[in-house]
Amino acid sequence: GNSVTQMEGPVTLSEEAFLTINCTYTATGYPSLFWYVQYPGEGLQLLLKATKADDKGSNKGFEATYRKETTSFHLEKGSVQVSDSAVYFCALNSYSGTYKYIFGTGTRLKVLA
Amino acid sequence: NAGVTQTPKFRVLKTGQSMTLLCAQDMNHEYMYWYRQDPGMGLRLIHYSVGEGTTAKGEVPDGYNVSRLKKQNFLLGLESAAPSQTSVYFCASSYSMAGRNNEQFFGPGTRLTVL
Repeated sequence: GNSVTQMEGPVTLSEEAFLTINCTYTATGYPSLFWYVQYPGEGLQLLLKATKADDKGSNKGFEATYRKETTSFHLEKGSVQVSDSAVYFCALNSYSGTYKYIFGTGTRLKVLA
Repeated sequence: NAGVTQTPKFRVLKTGQSMTLLCAQDMNHEYMYWYRQDPGMGLRLIHYSVGEGTTAKGEVPDGYNVSRLKKQNFLLGLESAAPSQTSVYFCASSYSMAGRNNEQFFGPGTRLTVL
């Protein structure tokens, strides 16, 4: 079945460090891929998305490229800030008789000043 | 626009009690969803709706019922609460499930504790 695997956290970085959170997926067809962010005590917010192979989603300095050959959608940011501390979820939406959204288990990021 | 709102924010129940969680969206979205979030398990889909008057089971529907009498509202009911239903519940909506506008918009969540 379809699935999303993302790196376990927590990830702890110093301010201005480079961030990578790995995400790989298993899906039939051509899924849409998403990164959501959840700040403490809040719901999930869409961070970025990509709908076809080689698309790059970007927002607020975060980027992720849809790599069909490696079934990956890794999240990157060149210089993290304390305000980026949150839980990040990788997700996909794919069709297999019906459309389904599948979420990863989340990766907690803590950025230290 | 308020987006997706949920009522209540917090609730404590005793085993066997019932309650209804209300979700409302003002984006005119056709699709609405109820998820539960548990530590280390990500989000799991409970029920969803593809339009007013429709509902469908998700991944973990047992112990829950839903109704979508109005397009903007999606209610989640627990008829007889159990400690295993202690969780954070999120409602979401989307314009579509396919195509370019298939991202979901989430509410702030309801933290439910069943004693």
